[in-house]
Formats: sequence, structure tokens, C-alpha cells
Amino acid sequence: GAVVSQHPSRVICKSGTSVKIECRSLDFQATTMFWYRQFPKQSLMLMATSNEGSKATYEQGVEKDKFLINHASLTLSTLTVTSAHPEDSSFYICSARDGGSTDTQYFGPGTRLTVL
Amino acid sequence: RKEVEQDPGPFNVPEGATVAFNCTYSNSASQSFFWYRQDCRKEPKLLMSVYSSGNEDGRFTAQLNRASQYISLLIRDSKLSDSATYLCVVNKKGNDMRFGAGTRLTVKP
Repeated sequence: GAVVSQHPSRVICKSGTSVKIECRSLDFQATTMFWYRQFPKQSLMLMATSNEGSKATYEQGVEKDKFLINHASLTLSTLTVTSAHPEDSSFYICSARDGGSTDTQYFGPGTRLTVL
Repeated sequence: RKEVEQDPGPFNVPEGATVAFNCTYSNSASQSFFWYRQDCRKEPKLLMSVYSSGNEDGRFTAQLNRASQYISLLIRDSKLSDSATYLCVVNKKGNDMRFGAGTRLTVKP
């Protein structure tokens, strides 16, 4: 099946710093990538939809100035958590949709962010 | 009301048991439906798509009832390795997937 990678897999940072998470589709071109956040024992919550070459679409309640998304190529999207706070600690998962396939999304392995 | 609702469980069943999960969705315009499996601290992985005619993949059977806006997953002959959280996923249109909170299954020896 299609492969999506995320980097880093785990990051611990101090409050106030910024953290960048990369999401790559390794064997297909992803016209659309999605960023989710999952708190413990809760479901995945869509944060934003990222389209290559255009601005991301953010879900209601997600601050676009805090969660910066860049989708500069068909294989790479980045999420930057700016001025991170402890409440931003969560499991961030990206997914990518193969432009040539059905509605199936392929998920990255996730990034566990801990803000001290 | 949540867009996708699932019984959170947990379901604790012995090996070899048959277990069924249910899911309801609120948007009648939803177009495609899936079951994903998520292991602890891992990303979700596609288990199977769900079609109106019903579909089967080995020990797993999925059913969709559009009139009732209801989706089900049946697991027969449960294995220890089936222990995971099962996520019901509904796609309103190409770029809009909504996840249920998941149903946790533990299969015991």
C-alpha cells in the first residue's frame, strides 16, 4: 500500500518555542494532505486540509496563525506549531490522498508532541 | 449531535467469539464509508471500505444501511491480534472525512 512518513516521530520542546512537523508521501503524489490531532482516548480531529500550491483550509476553532501549514510540493506538507504551550501537547497525524485513487487516505505514523 | 457516533466500549471478548460494532452518522449526503483500525499510540490503518451491498474480507463483514444511516462491522472467530480500537469513518465528499471516537476491543485468551 501507499506509504506516508512523518518526521519527527516524537518531540519534546519548551513552552514558547515553535515545532515543525513534516509529512511526506513516499510513493505517490498527494494533491491533498490532511492534518489531524488526537488527544488521549479521543478521536482524530481534523485540523486543516492542505492543497498543493494553495492556502490550507482550517476547521472551525483551529487558529491558522498558530498552526502554520505549507504544502509546497506534491509530496510534502509541513505543520508548524508556533509558540507552543502545554495544551498543544498531542498526537499529530497527517494523511495524504492519492490524486489518482479513490477516497482512501493513507496516514503517516504520527508525531507525539510534548510541550513542557 | 456528533457527526459520527460509536459505542466506545470497551468490548472484552474471549478468543473465538463473534463481536459486532455499530456506528451511526448524521449527514445523509455522506458518500463513502470505512472502518479503520488503530492500535495504541499508532496511526489508523484502513481495515475495509463499506458498501451498500455489504462486503466481506475474511473474518470481517461490513454492512451499510443508508436509510437508517447505520454502519456495522462484524468480526468472527476473534483473535488476540484483533485487539485494537475500531474507527468508523464517513466521507461527506472527496476531502472531508469524519471519524467516530472509536470502539475499543480487547480479545482475551
